[in-house]
Amino acid sequence: ETGVTQSPTHLIKTRGQQVTLRCSSQSGHNTVSWYQQALGQGPQFIFQYYREEENGRGNFPPRFSGLQFPNYSSELNVNALELDDSALYLCASSLGGGAIDEQFFGPGTRLTVL
Amino acid sequence: QKEVEQNSGPLSVPEGAIASLNCTYSDRGSQSFFWYRQYSGKSPELIMFIYSNGDKEDGRFTAQLNKASQYVSLLIRDSQPSDSATYLCASRKTSYDKVIFGPGTSLSVIP
Repeated sequence: ETGVTQSPTHLIKTRGQQVTLRCSSQSGHNTVSWYQQALGQGPQFIFQYYREEENGRGNFPPRFSGLQFPNYSSELNVNALELDDSALYLCASSLGGGAIDEQFFGPGTRLTVL
Repeated sequence: QKEVEQNSGPLSVPEGAIASLNCTYSDRGSQSFFWYRQYSGKSPELIMFIYSNGDKEDGRFTAQLNKASQYVSLLIRDSQPSDSATYLCASRKTSYDKVIFGPGTSLSVIP
């Protein structure tokens, strides 16, 4: 167990709806990254938050947005869901700023868009 | 050209053999490299990281990095059926940058 938790575990939505996924970081970690992992592919970087500020974003449209709270927990919001948004959504927390800064993943949220 | 490339496999090795997993990266600015193991339906689990040229050993696992060739590898000695999983190679420029993952290599260890 990494100490990173995510909720919900599974979610089914229909096209056009909106969804919010949540992540609690490992104790002491101030950086959270979100990834989308489609079946059979590696995780794709969505964005990263460091001390409540977004400090990096991957090639995802603006309908993917996020927040990091003062306790360093985080949310990923996806608006206007599309069928291709069906994937495993992973958050990873890290200490931030270290020489290596290992990331530790939560168990993920499996999103299915119908 | 993808930033991190791996053979998708599947790679099959007999129990007790050495499994060799390879990864190449395109960005010469990459500084640190990670190997994650991912069981089906689970999230990635960090096995090792490496940032200096050469070998780094941890138990049955050895990571190798050659920055001149932009090549990273993972050797698993005395492979066990429990090692059967997808192995993800990842790179990063600095600790503030995004981690870029390869597509993963599926490993199957045959009893």
